[in-house]
Amino acid sequence: QVRVQESGPGLVKPSETLSLTCTVSGASINSYYWGLIRQAPGKGLEWIGNTYYSGSTKYNPALQSRVTISIDLSKNQLSLKMTSVTAADTAVYYCASLLMVRGRGVFDIWGQGTMVTVS
Amino acid sequence: SYVLTQPPSVSAAPGKTATITCGGNNIGSRSVHWFQQKSGQAPVVVVYFDSDRPSGIPRRFSGSKSGNTATLTISRVEAGDEADYHCQVWDTSIDHPVFGGGTKLTVL
Repeated sequence: QVRVQESGPGLVKPSETLSLTCTVSGASINSYYWGLIRQAPGKGLEWIGNTYYSGSTKYNPALQSRVTISIDLSKNQLSLKMTSVTAADTAVYYCASLLMVRGRGVFDIWGQGTMVTVS
Repeated sequence: SYVLTQPPSVSAAPGKTATITCGGNNIGSRSVHWFQQKSGQAPVVVVYFDSDRPSGIPRRFSGSKSGNTATLTISRVEAGDEADYHCQVWDTSIDHPVFGGGTKLTVL
């Protein structure tokens, strides 16, 4: 059974870089597409980006200039780096596997999420 | 960009049927997915690809769509169904996902 566990800094200062890691267990990370999604307090879900082990990535245009998603095959992990954070980046950050069928995807397995506060 | 519109809240009494809608331009031509998110928890997919249920999801949860509206129907509502529900589609024109704003289901 595939599981994903996010780990993050908890608290980040404004203008600094947010770094978080998602550790995959129960399967090889290169068997799936992966996505990152966040949810600000009391708000809806916001897609951050997707990645595949081959290095193919796509980002939310609203965040693209500040976001990098990468995969470490040796550790079975994916990571997110978001630069120049502000209070608006305060959110729960989720990793999820992305099931792609005929070019259309659904996030089918989610991690528990990690809360990141910018202050 | 593609926009999905959900009502902020819906309510239903135990044993009754809850209907949650997700509106989008010609959504009938897209695959629609539904997530349940209980308070303080991660989302869980309850219906995917319009009407399929993942293993372990009760048959009380069903999805449908027509024209510009997709619908999640929860039959015989239980107290444990109280949660936020989010719809999602894939915007093939720009090759990325789109989420609706979420609907809070209150069980009366």
